[in-house]
Amino acid sequence: TQLLEQSPQFLSIQEGENLTVYCNSSSVFSSLQWYRQEPGEGPVLLVTVVTGGEVKKLKRLTFQFGDARKDSSLHITAAQPGDTGLYLCAGGPAGGANNLFFGTGTRLTVIP
Amino acid sequence: KAGVTQTPRYLIKTRGQQVTLSCSPISGHRSVSWYQQTPGQGLQFLFEYFSETQRNKGNFPGRFSGRQFSNSRSEMNVSTLELGDSALYLCASSLENRVYTGELFFGEGSRLTVL
Repeated sequence: TQLLEQSPQFLSIQEGENLTVYCNSSSVFSSLQWYRQEPGEGPVLLVTVVTGGEVKKLKRLTFQFGDARKDSSLHITAAQPGDTGLYLCAGGPAGGANNLFFGTGTRLTVIP
Repeated sequence: KAGVTQTPRYLIKTRGQQVTLSCSPISGHRSVSWYQQTPGQGLQFLFEYFSETQRNKGNFPGRFSGRQFSNSRSEMNVSTLELGDSALYLCASSLENRVYTGELFFGEGSRLTVL
């Protein structure tokens, strides 16, 4: 079983603060995705990274895929209440299969 | 365009019963995957169907089964329900990508409670 450990599990911060969420595994993945899930909804894809060392920026969110393709991080700058949600990393196997291995999740609360 | 639709949204069953959940993917998507989400285990892969064929299967007992129809709609069935089957069951559809896992579009899920 390919396990993805996320840290921290829970995070409560004030609006305007920065934060980083980590996703670590002992397994190598072909791709790494980050999703955000809000209550009562399914996860929504934020980004896919596929190259070791790759960094992608989406507005205030910065995603990095580790050089060895075993870990990833999500950094949010100047967090806003709209960033509140459950953040999930997911490792993708080789060949484009859709059997993602999801991380344990980080529940973020941004307090206005 | 319409998103992934799952029915029913909520259901309550008792131990020993069986349940069938339905998923209509986004038009044009031929891959449908099913995941189970629980507070303790998180999101776990159940199975994936592509063009009516099961392409991948997760580590779940045989009580969990699924199928896909020619119009790409999918159903999953859980027989002889156990208390531990209480969970949010999520369906996701996607376009095929043979290089790396593409974007999965999730439905809102079917929340199953087993009493």
